[in-house]
Amino acid sequence: QKEVEQNSGPLSVPEGAIASLNCTYSDRGSQSFFWYRQYSGKSPELIMSIYSNGDKEDGRFTAQLNKASQYVSLLIRDSQPSDSATYLCAVFRAGTASKLTFGTGTRLQVTL
Amino acid sequence: EAQVTQNPRYLITVTGKKLTVTCSQNMNHEYMSWYRQDPGLGLRQIYYSMNVEVTDKGDVPEGYKVSRKEKRNFPLILESPSPNQTSLYFCASSLLYRATDTQYFGPGTRLTVL
Repeated sequence: QKEVEQNSGPLSVPEGAIASLNCTYSDRGSQSFFWYRQYSGKSPELIMSIYSNGDKEDGRFTAQLNKASQYVSLLIRDSQPSDSATYLCAVFRAGTASKLTFGTGTRLQVTL
Repeated sequence: EAQVTQNPRYLITVTGKKLTVTCSQNMNHEYMSWYRQDPGLGLRQIYYSMNVEVTDKGDVPEGYKVSRKEKRNFPLILESPSPNQTSLYFCASSLLYRATDTQYFGPGTRLTVL
């Protein structure tokens, strides 16, 4: 079982729709969760971080965390063509062997 | 401007020819790390450094070396590159390595080993 799992996609949504990206993780000791956006050939860019159960909203982005289900998601409202990118989920476990683990990413395509 | 820089951005080399990819950050971060990114495998950590003169292996350290003599620089060294090291490489840094610290990535170095 992978430590952080994402559907590779592509996830195709029409412009203006809500895109829903999902991520599951295996380590129950994980403490913080990040969503990075990566355009093709470019470096990852942090768009959201979430540390406690529930929802966190920032503009058109909402991150949702459910630690009991080991599940984190990212919702993108009013999707735009410029949102077309790969979205990486990253999970951080603190402690004596702190580790940040990335998923392989979900490719999102926003169609006109 | 706060940033992580990498050089070179693109490199084509041949098997066995030693090379160094430089990484520098101007944010006074203590933590620095190298990743490689391959299709279907995601970002995998090669080496990391918690501070000057403190380095440790990540998930895929074979064939790589690093050093951290100054806080701002963290070069990645390939002593004898092989074709399986053809990849996209990213350097990253963060203030520390805590649950709330954001990692900032450099622009990437695309390496091809023939």
